[in-house]
Amino acid sequence: QQQVKQSPQSLIVQKGGISIINCAYENTAFDYFPWYQQFPGKGPALLIAIRPDVSEKKEGRFTISFNKSAKQFSLHIMDSQPGDSATYFCAAGSGAGSYQLTFGKGTKLSVIP
Amino acid sequence: DAGVTQSPTHLIKTRGQHVTLRCSPISGHKSVSWYQQVLGQGPQFIFQYYEKEERGRGNFPDRFSARQFPNYSSELNVNALLLGDSALYLCASSSWGGNTEAFFGQGTRLTVV
Repeated sequence: QQQVKQSPQSLIVQKGGISIINCAYENTAFDYFPWYQQFPGKGPALLIAIRPDVSEKKEGRFTISFNKSAKQFSLHIMDSQPGDSATYFCAAGSGAGSYQLTFGKGTKLSVIP
Repeated sequence: DAGVTQSPTHLIKTRGQHVTLRCSPISGHKSVSWYQQVLGQGPQFIFQYYEKEERGRGNFPDRFSARQFPNYSSELNVNALLLGDSALYLCASSSWGGNTEAFFGQGTRLTVV
């Protein structure tokens, strides 16, 4: 059972455009929602994360929007750059002490000049 | 500051063999988690350890085992390797208490032939 559904699977965006990736979860016990960026041959790197007590969090060009009632959250990348081309994973966490993460299947983003 | 270090970086094993993967967490982090990332998929949670005790286990067969040492480093062991065990194995370290972020290493690429 896939507990975190991510879409789209791939995304092509023009340089300077907005990239939007969506995720939906089922388990209401999740209380932590991070986004990771992964380049080929590397481990995932934490981009930005949100907890359910806020509806939006912005860090630089990256924004998470969170809709608790719909059990959905999304990543917006403003002014997308070719260097943003990577695979992005949403995740949801639960657990005491330290999170155990459930990941989406990933979105491969290509930003073209 | 040293990040999460994993060894080896690449490994080729034959079906039926045993493998041991190693992870050293970020200095000061006491929790280590292991994830399996099959090509084209998101990481999948295998184990979480804190203070040498297993604190969480994902949906993996008993062929998978792990342990944590007094210096908080960890080993992941996989017995009776199958072709389907071919994947990138990721280690994540985090602090314990307060549910802080997980930081991933570069992973060990295991190929089973």
